[in-house]
Amino acid sequence: QVQLRESGPGLVKPWETLSLTCIVSGGSISGYYWSWIRQPPGKGLEWMGYVYYTGNTNYSPSLKSRVTMSVDTSKNQVSLKLSSMTAADTAFYYCARDGIGASGHDYWGQGTLVTVSS
Amino acid sequence: DIQMTQSPSSLSASVGDRVTITCRASQSISRYLNWYQQKPGQAPKILIYAASSFQSGVPSRFSGSGSGTAFTLTISSLQREDFATYYCQQTYITPYTFGQGTKLEIK
Repeated sequence: QVQLRESGPGLVKPWETLSLTCIVSGGSISGYYWSWIRQPPGKGLEWMGYVYYTGNTNYSPSLKSRVTMSVDTSKNQVSLKLSSMTAADTAFYYCARDGIGASGHDYWGQGTLVTVSS
Repeated sequence: DIQMTQSPSSLSASVGDRVTITCRASQSISRYLNWYQQKPGQAPKILIYAASSFQSGVPSRFSGSGSGTAFTLTISSLQREDFATYYCQQTYITPYTFGQGTKLEIK
């Protein structure tokens, strides 16, 4: 069974860069797209972008200037960096596997809450 | 970006009821429409992909239909564990976008 687990700081200061890692177990990251999705507490879901196992990326235009996604196939993990964090970036951050053929996100991590505060 | 609009935003229903949630896209997305269920404190879970295909393990009381710009998720007979928030999402074109959610509450 594929499992995803996000890790990273729970608290980030304004204007700092957030770095999160998603470790994939029970399956290979090869052959799949991996998305990051975030959700402010009590609000809806926002797709941030995806990274293919080859390293190709596709970012949401609303975040494109601040976001970087990468993969490390040797460690079976994907990573997210989001720069210039503000309070509006406070959210649960999820990594998720994209199903084949744009068929949605079939496996999700449990999510990690990131709070932006000084 | 493609806008996804769900209705209703919230819904009260009883165990055993038949419930339908609607999702409309601002332009045609063919059948690239997925439905998720999210319970408090949990990650979303995919129920339906490609408008009407069941994800493995999803109970048969859930069904999806539609194409183009109009889609529905139907729960044929509500069970207690179905009370949750439901989201639609288009994966026709990036940026992938979600509906605002429909919160299904116990009457």
